[in-house]
Amino acid sequence: EAAVTQSPRNKVTVTGGNVTLSCRQTNSHNYMYWYRQDTGHGLRLIHYSYGAGNLQIGDVPDGYKATRTTQEDFFLLLELASPSQTSLYFCASSGDITEVFFGKGTRLTVV
Amino acid sequence: GDSVTQTEGLVTLTKGLPVMLNCTYQTTYSPFLFWYVQHLNEAPKLLLKSSTDNKRTEHQGFYATLHKSSSSFHLQKSSVQLSDSALYFCALSEPTQVVGQLTFGSGTRLQVYA
Repeated sequence: EAAVTQSPRNKVTVTGGNVTLSCRQTNSHNYMYWYRQDTGHGLRLIHYSYGAGNLQIGDVPDGYKATRTTQEDFFLLLELASPSQTSLYFCASSGDITEVFFGKGTRLTVV
Repeated sequence: GDSVTQTEGLVTLTKGLPVMLNCTYQTTYSPFLFWYVQHLNEAPKLLLKSSTDNKRTEHQGFYATLHKSSSSFHLQKSSVQLSDSALYFCALSEPTQVVGQLTFGSGTRLQVYA
């Protein structure tokens, strides 16, 4: 089965802090995504990429940067974290339109 | 833009009873519809994906039928089990969008009691 691994699984940071969330997929998929999950909103797309060095903005990109360093690795960066970014973050990968594979998530708390 | 509506935030049932979770959508084009299931502290996983209009798709005892006339893709099961307790998301993808770019509903939590 397709594998998407996120780290860390939990993170607490202070307002204004710098945070990097990591994601690695071993599926050889071209597409990778970062979503955030909040109660009442479902999952919302932050950024996505279709290959190393490529980056596209999603539906809720403000306050986030991302970088795809290799086919396998996709990072989400919060350079000035705010309490509104407290959320559950999911990384995902996909090779085609039929299925998206998600990681187990990173719970980020900004205090 | 696209949108997916799930009207129930929480559904509670006794095991063995049937369930239907509602999903309606709005989109300009002819979409693909999906149901994802997320168990506690786990990743969302694909449960079902739509087929052609008015055709039923099934997996693990769950089934759904895409009805383009009513823009719906409701999820059903004839007899729920304790292990079905989870968060269920309806999602859509348009052929014109990026591969895997999904629009999700807000989710329905299904809680099954003994």
